[in-house]
Amino acid sequence: QQQVKQSPQSLIVQKGGISIINCAYENTAFDYFPWYQQFPGKGPALLIAIRPDVSEKKEGRFTISFNKSAKQFSLHIMDSQPGDSATYFCAASMNTGFQKLVFGTGTRLLVSP
Amino acid sequence: NAGVMQNPRHLVRRRGQEARLRCSPMKGHSHVYWYRQLPEEGLKFMVYLQKENIIDESGMPKERFSAEFPKEGPSILRIQQVVRGDSAAYFCASSPVGGNTEAFFGQGTRLTVV
Repeated sequence: QQQVKQSPQSLIVQKGGISIINCAYENTAFDYFPWYQQFPGKGPALLIAIRPDVSEKKEGRFTISFNKSAKQFSLHIMDSQPGDSATYFCAASMNTGFQKLVFGTGTRLLVSP
Repeated sequence: NAGVMQNPRHLVRRRGQEARLRCSPMKGHSHVYWYRQLPEEGLKFMVYLQKENIIDESGMPKERFSAEFPKEGPSILRIQQVVRGDSAAYFCASSPVGGNTEAFFGQGTRLTVV
């Protein structure tokens, strides 16, 4: 019940295309859903995050869509660029007084020129 | 304003040796988290500390692993008598306060046990 399931494991998108990564969770106590971007040899960096009181959040080319009833959320990268090539992790945490993140297994995105 | 600093970046230990991983949080941050990332997997929570206190260590293996965050100095993750299965990337994150405020990650320490 603590898991966050992420798909696909890897994704190849052409430059200018839309990259879509999906995550699903079981624990309805989760109330914070961030997405992290990780480049090889680096630590994860927060990209965008959402709380369950909204269904969508957009920041630049990155959008999170959130479906509370289905317990699913997804990351959309519009106009994907080669510089977006990285591993993306979804995560979730509960309001426990600190940020104890449960991470998905990651999606390796390759944007071809 | 330097980010979260972890050292060493790479650490090689023989089986049975001790590994000490250091994490200096961002300036003004008093909350530290340690995560472990096994190859081809997501990060797994290990422990959450505030200055001089372990708040949640539910993700720490019961034996050989310990963590501290002293009043002065960096947070230390200590692994005694390392085994091959301890080979992983260990990431530290820090935040200024608790709650669901953003925690900033360091670049990690890649531990290889030979």
